[in-house]
Amino acid sequence: DAKTTQPTSMDCAEGRAANLPCNHSTISGNEYVYWYRQIHSQGPQYIIHGLKNNETNEMASLIITEDRKSSTLILPHATLRDTAVYYCIVRAFSGTYKYIFGTGTRLKVLA
Amino acid sequence: DTEVTQTPKHLVMGMTNKKSLKCEQHMGHRAMYWYKQKAKKPPELMFVYSYEKLSINESVPSRFSPECPNSSLLNLHLHALQPEDSALYLCASSQPQGRGRDYGYTFGSGTRLTVV
Repeated sequence: DAKTTQPTSMDCAEGRAANLPCNHSTISGNEYVYWYRQIHSQGPQYIIHGLKNNETNEMASLIITEDRKSSTLILPHATLRDTAVYYCIVRAFSGTYKYIFGTGTRLKVLA
Repeated sequence: DTEVTQTPKHLVMGMTNKKSLKCEQHMGHRAMYWYKQKAKKPPELMFVYSYEKLSINESVPSRFSPECPNSSLLNLHLHALQPEDSALYLCASSQPQGRGRDYGYTFGSGTRLTVV
């Protein structure tokens, strides 16, 4: 089973910040949180990842709570091209480490 | 080269056909993965290869047969598929995951398979 839960869908006005939450309450101490997005019918695209500290790159910022049980992906100025399904992933272990996708958040950026 | 290349991009096959999907990467990754994605659903893990050896088979029917001939190539052989097997098939690669080592995956663009 996926180790993360996310809202099913969100809307965001173009030019505004999109804040996408994720719960990962069973995360282990050395497990990273990864964010990917999938634009219609393409392969998932890496966005950002983090362990404890907040992270920022040219695409987004990642805020991880101090207890590491939840995180928020921030797209600072959403554009129409950011419309996609966003997946928050913490890997699972059953003999071997693997990524199990949760249902993700369908973000729609509105003009 | 930071890409995972999947071919073909689209495939239509009959239920009695045999076909293969191909995945290639030149990033030096030693773990490779097959996922299946139905419309409006998240990707589902099918197989994991680590150092060219099959390490996970997520109870996938035998009509799907994976093969990892070398560290850069991953194939998925298809035989006697059903219409419900129509889906987007995604390949990914990474460095092998281990305790404390999480390198993330690089995904290909997928093969859109239609079984008629």
